[in-house]
Amino acid sequence: EAQVTQNPRYLITVTGKKLTVTCSQNMNHEYMSWYRQDPGLGLRQIYYSMNVEVTDKGDVPEGYKVSRKEKRNFPLILESPSPNQTSLYFCASSFQGGNQPQHFGDGTRLSIL
Amino acid sequence: RKEVEQDPGPFNVPEGATVAFNCTYSNSASQSFFWYRQDCRKEPKLLMSVYSSGNEDGRFTAQLNRASQYISLLIRDSKLSDSATYLCVVNREGRRALTFGSGTRLQVQP
Repeated sequence: EAQVTQNPRYLITVTGKKLTVTCSQNMNHEYMSWYRQDPGLGLRQIYYSMNVEVTDKGDVPEGYKVSRKEKRNFPLILESPSPNQTSLYFCASSFQGGNQPQHFGDGTRLSIL
Repeated sequence: RKEVEQDPGPFNVPEGATVAFNCTYSNSASQSFFWYRQDCRKEPKLLMSVYSSGNEDGRFTAQLNRASQYISLLIRDSKLSDSATYLCVVNREGRRALTFGSGTRLQVQP
């Protein structure tokens, strides 16, 4: 089954404790992206990757890091999480390029206390 | 001005009604347009792409007006299962990314 898998689905943690949210897709997609969704603000792009070893900032990259060492994986790293990063996070992928329809993972709800 | 603007709603309509949403976008160079559906805090799912000549998928019709920079979604014969938030999505020319509107909430009532 074609899918984008995120882990964990839910996480409650404390300020400053490094965390990683994993994202994996099995569709051989070149393009992957991370979004956060907050009430009233909609989906905002954090980082995206056009292909292996090619990443770029989205609209709200501060406080986040990503890597793309393999085509299927695109982890999101919060080196020192803060309460303003409490949000619902989605990973997405598309075959080629960000201007194509994207497939989304189920989402990760992060709470930073 | 936001890149993509939508009326947040909610639109409350009875079953069987026809409802239409509009969405305006600011980047005249945008080339790709989509409607996504999102159920309560679940992942967005592609509803349909929007083509220049307009397109239909069952009860759903999408239109694009490049001159006025808006896209629309028409839902005929609304079902209870159509209750969701509908996201207008436009690509960013040169950024190779998609911009999502904040969504329009539809509530279909029995």
